[in-house]
Amino acid sequence: AQSVTQLGSHVSVSEGALVLLRCNYSSSVPPYLFWYVQYPNQGLQLLLKYTSAATLVKGINGFEAEFKKSETSFHLTKPSAHMSDAAEYFCAVSHSGAGSYQLTFGKGTKLSVIP
Amino acid sequence: DAGVTQSPTHLIKTRGQQVTLRCSPKSGHDTVSWYQQALGQGPQFIFQYYEEEERQRGNFPDRFSGHQFPNYSSELNVNALLLGDSALYLCASTKQGANTIYFGEGSWLTVV
Repeated sequence: AQSVTQLGSHVSVSEGALVLLRCNYSSSVPPYLFWYVQYPNQGLQLLLKYTSAATLVKGINGFEAEFKKSETSFHLTKPSAHMSDAAEYFCAVSHSGAGSYQLTFGKGTKLSVIP
Repeated sequence: DAGVTQSPTHLIKTRGQQVTLRCSPKSGHDTVSWYQQALGQGPQFIFQYYEEEERQRGNFPDRFSGHQFPNYSSELNVNALLLGDSALYLCASTKQGANTIYFGEGSWLTVV
């Protein structure tokens, strides 16, 4: 069974400050890990993904995440927050097995950016 | 290149009614999944279709059913609607062998 825990349902940062959104996963098999962003009243947009290649993954809009197997973590970071980053962020895990595309999501972290 | 498209975007149904939601996958994709996202929650996997067959199913009752057509598009049907079925329904698509899953904008279902 797989599960994802996102620490902090709501995170507030000042514009220009570091963004750190935490994600811990549980998986009995090597995982694929994803971060998605959801703007109000919209669907999910893929920010970045880890698929067992490089442990430091760079995504769109200046975001990156590091896969740490020993800590079962996949935290999302961005050096300098922008007002347009305000949204809800979801971490998700799936099996790395072929043909399995079932994503298990965390409950999400709402990011607010203070001017 | 059109992404994942869903229809309708919003709809209101009465308790006990039935609803059909539609999804066209991203061009080149052959696998479609459906997710339910209740307000304030993360998406929950309903089921996945590939080669017109249901391949995986999440923890949802039989009231939730689906179909995939030869052109890879898909429908989600929900019978005997309950108030608790009110949610954003998301369609996602991918290509077998790939590892990136794309989502549509979703269909907002309100059951009154």
